[in-house]
Amino acid sequence: KNEVEQSPQNLTAQEGEFITINCSYSVGISALHWLQQHPGGGIVSLFMLSSGKKKHGRLIATINIQEKHSSLHITASHPRDSAVYICAVPSFGNEKLTFGTGTRLTIIP
Amino acid sequence: DSGVTQTPKHLITATGQRVTLRCSPRSGDLSVYWYQQSLDQGLQFLIHYYNGEERAKGNILERFSAQQFPDLHSELNLSSLELGDSALYFCASSVGPGNTIYFGEGSWLTVV
Repeated sequence: KNEVEQSPQNLTAQEGEFITINCSYSVGISALHWLQQHPGGGIVSLFMLSSGKKKHGRLIATINIQEKHSSLHITASHPRDSAVYICAVPSFGNEKLTFGTGTRLTIIP
Repeated sequence: DSGVTQTPKHLITATGQRVTLRCSPRSGDLSVYWYQQSLDQGLQFLIHYYNGEERAKGNILERFSAQQFPDLHSELNLSSLELGDSALYFCASSVGPGNTIYFGEGSWLTVV
């Protein structure tokens, strides 16, 4: 089983700050997913990446396959970024995902 | 809007009862996944269907079953419900394994 650890569990920051959320996993993978869960419960897929870096707006995701580590960065954070961010890794030939416990991010105006 | 539709959005039922949760995947997606999210367990994978066939099972209880129909919609059946089954149940779909996964809004199940 691929263990997935996220840090920090909770993060509170001021609007405009640069945010970093980390994810480590124990077994080699082909790709990693970053998800955002809104306060209402809905989940949005932010990134799926297998190497290097991806950028979408103010969000940047990086992955180091050798070190089994990924980071999610948010630049110029905004209160609407407040959500739970979850990393997930595939297993069993990409048939299923194992999820981290999530990072609860709160951005204060 | 992810394009994945789940019904019902909210459901309250009594212990011992049976419920069915329904999921319509995004147009063109062949894979359907079911996940359970409870306060103490976080997100847990339940089951994956691809084009009508079961492909992988997670920690799905024997009281739970699922199927994917020829039109690719899926149903998750939960029976002999217990208080501990109260959770948010997500359906997600993708073109196939190893691709971006799109989540529905979830079905909130409360067992009383």
